[in-house]
Amino acid sequence: TQLLEQSPQFLSIQEGENLTVYCNSSSVFSSLQWYRQEPGEGPVLLVTVVTGGEVKKLKRLTFQFGDARKDSSLHITAAQPGDTGLYLCAGAWYNQGGKLIFGQGTELSVKP
Amino acid sequence: DAMVIQNPRYQVTQFGKPVTLSCSQTLNHNVMYWYQQKSSQAPKLLFHYYDKDFNNEADTPDNFQSRRPNTSFCFLDIRSPGLGDAAMYLCATSRDLPKLAEPHNEQFFGPGTRLTVL
Repeated sequence: TQLLEQSPQFLSIQEGENLTVYCNSSSVFSSLQWYRQEPGEGPVLLVTVVTGGEVKKLKRLTFQFGDARKDSSLHITAAQPGDTGLYLCAGAWYNQGGKLIFGQGTELSVKP
Repeated sequence: DAMVIQNPRYQVTQFGKPVTLSCSQTLNHNVMYWYQQKSSQAPKLLFHYYDKDFNNEADTPDNFQSRRPNTSFCFLDIRSPGLGDAAMYLCATSRDLPKLAEPHNEQFFGPGTRLTVL
């Protein structure tokens, strides 16, 4: 069974702090995506990474794909209350149809 | 704006009473997915359609069925809902299935339908 371990599961921080969320697996992924989900809504795609060692930036969010394509991280600089939500990583393989394997999610709360 | 639409956003049904959830997309994507998401958990894939080709996950109960009458629409039928089927149901689309040359699998989700079973 292919698993994607995401940590931490819960994170409560003050506005202005930095944070990092990790996704780790023993499996190699063809691609990995990060989503953000607000309560009562569907996940919204933030970024896709496909190349080992790739780094992508989205304003204050920095995403990194591990060199071996088994792990990824999401770093948020100077978190704001609007960053509050559930962050999900999801891995995929080109030879397994459209199946995404999701991590357990990280519930982030940023307090003003 | 191109999007994934789910109706209704909230659905209440009775134990054992069949219910249908609908999804439509204006993205003209080939693949449509149905996920079940319970509180504080990650989405769980139930099945997907690649064009008209239906692909069921091995652990999806027989109680869950799906129809895709055309490219734009996909339905989730729950034949006899149980209390354990209360969840958020998410529809997603992707342009195509991942390939060796194009390994990414970007899926675009609808807002979900919250199902309550009484």
